[in-house]
Amino acid sequence: EAQVTQNPRYLITVTGKKLTVTCSQNMNHEYMSWYRQDPGLGLRQIYYSMNVEVTDKGDVPEGYKVSRKEKRNFPLILESPSPNQTSLYFCASSLAGVGKSYFGPGTRLTVL
Amino acid sequence: QKEVEQDPGPLSVPEGAIVSLNCTYSNSAFQYFMWYRQYSRKGPELLMYTYSSGNKEDGRFTAQVDKSSKYISLFIRDSQPSDSATYLCAMSSMDSNYQLIWGAGTKLIIKP
Repeated sequence: EAQVTQNPRYLITVTGKKLTVTCSQNMNHEYMSWYRQDPGLGLRQIYYSMNVEVTDKGDVPEGYKVSRKEKRNFPLILESPSPNQTSLYFCASSLAGVGKSYFGPGTRLTVL
Repeated sequence: QKEVEQDPGPLSVPEGAIVSLNCTYSNSAFQYFMWYRQYSRKGPELLMYTYSSGNKEDGRFTAQVDKSSKYISLFIRDSQPSDSATYLCAMSSMDSNYQLIWGAGTKLIIKP
């Protein structure tokens, strides 16, 4: 089954404690991205990657890091989380140049 | 001014009604237009995908693109309570590496 998986689905943490949210896709897509979704603000792109070892900033990259060492995986790293990063996070993948994005189930993060 | 404007709603209609959802945009370079449906606590799922102008029909759903007016629409015929969700429009262009630009989403409620 074609899918995008994210882990964990729910996470409560404290300010400053480094965390990683994993994302994996099994569709051999070149393009992967991370979004955060907040009430009233819609989906905002954090980072995206057009292929292995190629990443670029989206609209709200501050406080986040990503890496793309393998085509299927695109982890999101919060080195020092803060309460304003409390949000619902989605990973997505698509074939390059097409734009049909497939989304993961989401990770709800709370930073206390 | 946002690149993509979408009324957040909520839009409440009785079961069986025809629903019209709309987005306007400012960037004439957009070539790919998408509608996503998002149920509560789920990731967005691709509903309709259109390249350039014209209409596309899939079952009860019809997507329209009017590039001259920079306006896209999604019509839902014979609406069902299961159609209750948030509908997000998204668009992209080759100029922006096919990065998706999102509307804020319209919350749709179908009353039985």
